[in-house]
Amino acid sequence: EAGVTQFPSHSVIEKGQTVTLRCDPISGHDNLYWYRRVMGKEIKFLLHFVKESKQDESGMPNNRFLAERTGGTYSTLKVQPAELEDSGVYFCASSPWDSYGYTFGSGTRLTVV
Amino acid sequence: DAKTTQPPSMDCAEGRAANLPCNHSTISGNEYVYWYRQIHSQGPQYIIHGLKNNETNEMASLIITEDRKSSTLILPHATLRDTAVYYCIVRGPFGYNQGGKLIFGQGTELSVKP
Repeated sequence: EAGVTQFPSHSVIEKGQTVTLRCDPISGHDNLYWYRRVMGKEIKFLLHFVKESKQDESGMPNNRFLAERTGGTYSTLKVQPAELEDSGVYFCASSPWDSYGYTFGSGTRLTVV
Repeated sequence: DAKTTQPPSMDCAEGRAANLPCNHSTISGNEYVYWYRQIHSQGPQYIIHGLKNNETNEMASLIITEDRKSSTLILPHATLRDTAVYYCIVRGPFGYNQGGKLIFGQGTELSVKP
């Protein structure tokens, strides 16, 4: 079984630019989550999709962040415009509806300069 | 905020059992105790979870006290590859409260030494 795939693994962009992160969950997993760790802080929840619907987006920091999940398959997280404080590692995770253990991807390390 | 308290760091000798404690005194009746770990800069890895009873799988054992206010993760024969940050997380089931999101604390940094 293929795991959760995130792309790119690393991204360096300038302040004010736009970056789009992608997550491909495990096939058949209805639940998809985004988390991030910014420098020196704990891993923080961003949002939760159930299929293509946003179930909980209480962790999204501001309106510069936009997440989508096309057709309930892969998901994208767009940051526009990026700020220095957005630097960190962004993780995606997925799980089946009736399972309680998430599978995380390896993350995308975003650096805003 | 995280609903759990863990020691910031622990050491364990290779081949010995690693016992990682966690306090969760405010846990609700339908909330589970989950353990994840993060090895270096990889994504967190699910280890085990439980509600009331002790649980065991191929990776570890989870011992939950009868009052459910604390638990212990046991790695029976720790190896160097078990060096990681271990997170104890309390989480409700899908459809309850905030839909099953994980709230990470600082975790315990376990160092397995030769």
